[in-house]
Amino acid sequence: DVKVTQSSRYLVKRTGEKVFLECVQDMDHENMFWYRQDPGLGLRLIYFSYDVKMKEKGDIPEGYSVSREKKERFSLILESASTNQTSMYLCASRPLGATNEKLFFGSGTQLSVL
Amino acid sequence: GESVGLHLPTLSVQEGDNSIINCAYSNSASDYFIWYKQESGKGPQFIIDIRSNMDKRQGQRVTVLLNKTVKHLSLQIAATQPGDSAVYFCAENLNQAGTALIFGKGTTLSVSS
Repeated sequence: DVKVTQSSRYLVKRTGEKVFLECVQDMDHENMFWYRQDPGLGLRLIYFSYDVKMKEKGDIPEGYSVSREKKERFSLILESASTNQTSMYLCASRPLGATNEKLFFGSGTQLSVL
Repeated sequence: GESVGLHLPTLSVQEGDNSIINCAYSNSASDYFIWYKQESGKGPQFIIDIRSNMDKRQGQRVTVLLNKTVKHLSLQIAATQPGDSAVYFCAENLNQAGTALIFGKGTTLSVSS
């Protein structure tokens, strides 16, 4: 089975801190995604990556950056955390060329910014 | 802007009943639709999908119906079980790369014994 692992289940950070959310997948998938999930808003795409060192902005990239130095790892970075970035963050991965039935999600990281 | 929405944020049913979860979409260019299930503490999991050239697709205990005329998508769960309790999301795919996957807001299904 595909495993997408997010390093932290819960995180509490202070306003202005630099925050790293880590995601690792074990199936050699080319595509990786970061979403945030908020009540009443569903899932919204922040950034995605087609392959190593490649990244593209999603629908809500402001306040975030990403890093894909290795194929299995996709990091989401909050340069200076703000309270409006309190949310559930979901990482997902998918093989190159696959449609979204092959999109696998991690269990999420609940980030609270105080 | 264009978005995928759901008619009801919550749905409560009795075990053994059939459940119907509805979703309205607004982008007529969408060619592929997906239903996901998200259990508490877990990420969304794929349930079933349907392409725009179909109006019905069946899986194990689940059926997805697509009505392109009224831009409506539904998920039917037969003989609902307590393990079906979860948040259900519909999503529409706007491009072949799958990077324009727009999720609905979710319906929470509660199944009581």
